[in-house]
Amino acid sequence: GQQVMQIPQYQHVQEGEDFTTYCNSSTTLSNIQWYKQRPGGHPVFLIQLVKSGEVKKQKRLTFQFGEAKKNSSLHITATQTTDVGTYFCAGDTGGFKTIFGAGTRLFVKA
Amino acid sequence: GAGVSQTPSNKVTEKGKYVELRCDPISGHTALYWYRQSLGQGPEFLIYFQGTGAADDSGLPNDRFFAVRPEGSVSTLKIQRTERGDSAVYLCASSLSLSASEQFFGPGTRLTVL
Repeated sequence: GQQVMQIPQYQHVQEGEDFTTYCNSSTTLSNIQWYKQRPGGHPVFLIQLVKSGEVKKQKRLTFQFGEAKKNSSLHITATQTTDVGTYFCAGDTGGFKTIFGAGTRLFVKA
Repeated sequence: GAGVSQTPSNKVTEKGKYVELRCDPISGHTALYWYRQSLGQGPEFLIYFQGTGAADDSGLPNDRFFAVRPEGSVSTLKIQRTERGDSAVYLCASSLSLSASEQFFGPGTRLTVL
């Protein structure tokens, strides 16, 4: 069945450093979504990418969708302590069944 | 306005018992999703509804799991003959429609099967 893999599993950064998490799907996706889950919280929607090669920015966050629509990345510039949490990518192949990756847990040291 | 609510927030039960988990979606959201999240993992799809009908229940692990949404709003996830492996956080999410990108998640129900 469809699988979505994310790397790294976790990353420790010093505040001010950049951070990137990568997402790869075993099948072509119709769209990819990114969510953030704070410790003890629930996933919160960040963004959706739909088009091949699409790039979107939200302040310090940059999201990319690969040309083949099978991979994606989230890059955070100059991390802050408020960026702490787990970042999940999630995608579907057109049937609205959303498959989540295992997430990348970000630790930021002040 | 009010977000997605789930009750109970915590449920401890014994192996073999029956449990019901409730989800109240955001008013007006026609699509509703159930996920299961184990520690250190991403949400695992279980089922989604469009209105009253289960549009895709392919994620339900086995026939001990069943979900209903009789009036197209509140949904109940039912688990029969619970097993220790069912212990997890059960998350509910809703969206305006199936084609809407953003899913709004509830706080989850933490189920512990002893």
